[in-house]
Amino acid sequence: QVQMQQSGPGLVKPSQTLSLTCAISGDSVSSNRAAWNWIRQSPSRGLEWLGRTYYRSKRYNDYAESVKSRITMNADTSKNQFSLQLNSVTPEDTAVYYCARSAYAGVGFFDSWGQGTLVTVSS
Amino acid sequence: EIVMTQSPGTLSVSPGERATLSCRASQSVRSNLAWYQQKPGQAPRLLIYGASTRATGVPARFSGSGSGTEFTLTISSLQSEDFALYYCQQYNDWRTFGQGTKVEIK
Repeated sequence: QVQMQQSGPGLVKPSQTLSLTCAISGDSVSSNRAAWNWIRQSPSRGLEWLGRTYYRSKRYNDYAESVKSRITMNADTSKNQFSLQLNSVTPEDTAVYYCARSAYAGVGFFDSWGQGTLVTVSS
Repeated sequence: EIVMTQSPGTLSVSPGERATLSCRASQSVRSNLAWYQQKPGQAPRLLIYGASTRATGVPARFSGSGSGTEFTLTISSLQSEDFALYYCQQYNDWRTFGQGTKVEIK
């Protein structure tokens, strides 16, 4: 049974960096099978996939075009977790952010989700 | 980007009745389509993948069909716990979600 526990601040100032972490239990961030994703949800944008990180002999990251210039995802194998950094945030980045697993990187549906973190961008 | 359009926006159904939700893709996604259920304050829950395969633990009253651009989620006999938001998501070309259908009690 995979569990994903998110952590990070719920309030970020405009122009600063949003940082969230997702700790995994029951699977490995270094799995050669799974991919680890960030997804956000807001009333204006709905559900929006942001990016994924996965390991196939080396680490790969894929990012959505909408945030590609501002996003970085990393994995910490010693803590079995992965992270999201979104730079230069604006109020448009206010959303509930979820981490989620794709059990197979070759398929892109999400079978396990974190609990969600509401991040508000405001001064 | 593939745009997913769900209809109707809201579906009012009585308990025990059948609910039929639609999802249309702006271009073919083959069978690379998933359905999720979301309740207030919770993360989405995977119901269906591959257009028609139920995820682990999903009751048999949930079924999915379709391929290409037209998809359907059917709930054969609505239970009280099924009143929720439902989203479709394509994963043929990156990942995009529909805007959701709310299933409410009639």
